[in-house]
Amino acid sequence: DTEVTQTPKHLVMGMTNKKSLKCEQHMGHRAMYWYKQKAKKPPELMFVYSYEKLSINESVPSRFSPECPNSSLLNLHLHALQPEDSALYLCASSQGTLHNEQFFGPGTRLTVL
Amino acid sequence: AQSVTQLGSHVSVSEGALVLLRCNYSSSVPPYLFWYVQYPNQGLQLLLKYTTGATLVKGINGFEAEFKKSETSFHLTKPSAHMSDAAEYFCATYAGNNRKLIWGLGTSLAVNP
Repeated sequence: DTEVTQTPKHLVMGMTNKKSLKCEQHMGHRAMYWYKQKAKKPPELMFVYSYEKLSINESVPSRFSPECPNSSLLNLHLHALQPEDSALYLCASSQGTLHNEQFFGPGTRLTVL
Repeated sequence: AQSVTQLGSHVSVSEGALVLLRCNYSSSVPPYLFWYVQYPNQGLQLLLKYTTGATLVKGINGFEAEFKKSETSFHLTKPSAHMSDAAEYFCATYAGNNRKLIWGLGTSLAVNP
């Protein structure tokens, strides 16, 4: 299995809602990533988990809360988002050693009303 | 600090023509270089990577790239463009001894019939 899966594909939420994005990989990768991507722009790194520990937080607002329950799963909990948070949220994974290629999921298209 | 520059935010070619997408990097250490492609409303797909060894790297879908240390370049080429190659292309390298990718701004490739 060489896929990274993400659910849901699309999500519309109000500014007072709480929702979660989910990501799963079964490639035995030990690093997992959350990115935010605006249209026609490169992805912006948000969080990195390495061996299930948070290793990078790119000064992301606390309304985004990551969670890595095990080595195959990655969640992103959303609360009190702003309209400017509307974007494509991408999950990626890579092998445990550094400098390996990252494999991306199809993304969740998030719209905040 | 490492950086990536993609020359030309938009490239337009005719079907069957050569595709050349430019990527220059700055790095004080041997780089790890990647090309990704993103089709509309999809995640990013790895086209090819350079880590060490052979400087001419072959990837998927007929693409290849040549690592030229003297020119600090890693340009992406394909001998004959297909309509299905129309997409956004990103060049990336690792920022250092961590898991953070540095991205170019992307090149949008249009293929005309």
